[in-house]
Amino acid sequence: DAGVIQSPRHEVTEMGQEVTLRCKPISGHNSLFWYRQTMMRGLELLIYFNNNVPIDDSGMPEDRFSAKMPNASFSTLKIQPSEPRDSAVYFCASRRHMNTEAFFGQGTRLTVV
Amino acid sequence: AQTVTQSQPEMSVQEAETVTLSCTYDTSESDYYLFWYKQPPSRQMILVIRQEAYKQQNATENRFSVNFQKAAKSFSLKISDSQLGDAAMYFCAYRTIRDDKIIFGKGTRLHILP
Repeated sequence: DAGVIQSPRHEVTEMGQEVTLRCKPISGHNSLFWYRQTMMRGLELLIYFNNNVPIDDSGMPEDRFSAKMPNASFSTLKIQPSEPRDSAVYFCASRRHMNTEAFFGQGTRLTVV
Repeated sequence: AQTVTQSQPEMSVQEAETVTLSCTYDTSESDYYLFWYKQPPSRQMILVIRQEAYKQQNATENRFSVNFQKAAKSFSLKISDSQLGDAAMYFCAYRTIRDDKIIFGKGTRLHILP
């Protein structure tokens, strides 16, 4: 199993541009999570899906952030327009519904200049 | 709301020695899971150990063990015979059995001194 795959690994963009982060969960996993990691706030849960349906998006910071999961094998997190304060590492994780642990991707380091 | 607190932002330990990382949490739930994740410089989040709250026996994985005190809402991680490869950020995490949200502490950076 290849694990959770995120792309790109690094992204540098200018303020105001649209950014799309991608995630392929582990096959057979029913839950998918998007986390943001910063020095100041640690790991924050942004949104999670069960069976492709968004369950809780209360962690999404503002309307500039949106996430989709069109099928069981793909999810995107979009920021539009991006701002320097969005600079962080964004993690995607997936979990088989009846298991207890989540498996993380290697993250996307986003820098907005 | 559930919270997870790691009071030690950084710790150091001599190679081959034992170190304990602290974690406390706040919840009104009776059934839940607790985890310790390791994040080395590669950025990968790796599950180290997990504990089900209904189990009284402390979980153990090789050199890693926990001290789970349910009444005190404490969940510390002990690393025995520390190795250079143990140097990383360690995150304590919590999840209720009722939903999928995993809540993380702010992390403890562990340095291993050769």
